[in-house]
Amino acid sequence: KAGVTQTPRYLIKTRGQQVTLSCSPISGHRSVSWYQQTPGQGLQFLFEYFSETQRNKGNFPGRFSGRQFSNSRSEMNVSTLELGDSALYLCASSLEGQGLGQPQHFGDGTRLSIL
Amino acid sequence: KQEVTQIPAALSVPEGENLVLNCSFTDSAIYNLQWFRQDPGKGLTSLLLIQSSQREQTSGRLNASLDKSSGRSTLYIAASQPGDSATYLCAVPQGGSEKLVFGKGTKLTVNP
Repeated sequence: KAGVTQTPRYLIKTRGQQVTLSCSPISGHRSVSWYQQTPGQGLQFLFEYFSETQRNKGNFPGRFSGRQFSNSRSEMNVSTLELGDSALYLCASSLEGQGLGQPQHFGDGTRLSIL
Repeated sequence: KQEVTQIPAALSVPEGENLVLNCSFTDSAIYNLQWFRQDPGKGLTSLLLIQSSQREQTSGRLNASLDKSSGRSTLYIAASQPGDSATYLCAVPQGGSEKLVFGKGTKLTVNP
């Protein structure tokens, strides 16, 4: 069974640009969550999608957005990039939602660098 | 608001030693607790998930325990190997959601 797949693995952008990251969950998983990981702040929750609906959202500005498609694949978009957006962006999927005790499985992440 | 703390932040041990990593959380109303491993430049690998009704889980040389009442979990690694070198993270769900709250991790180095 294939794991969580994130593309691209690496991205280099400049300030002011926008970027779209993609995540394909494990087959059959309908919940997809996104996290930002930085050395200073650690892992921070961005948002979670379940059946194409955003169900939970973290404390990030509106420049960060996402969506989920009918096949459960998800994308996140960051507009007007800032230097502080440089981070490892991780996607996780799980079989069910709402804290029913299912483990979350993570992809290898997209390393975003802002110049 | 749930907060997760991991102590120590870094640990260096000789190969073959048994070791314990600690995780504490402030809100004991959790559904489960998950331990992850992260290798440099990589994503997170799920190691063990303990449901709130369980006290421990085992997988090979790894054993995780959970004490909800005291807000603590430990990850025990037996007979450590250089390949165990990585950062170990624990995480709990926030309320009844899929949002995971992570500790800052323990960076483990096992020296041959």
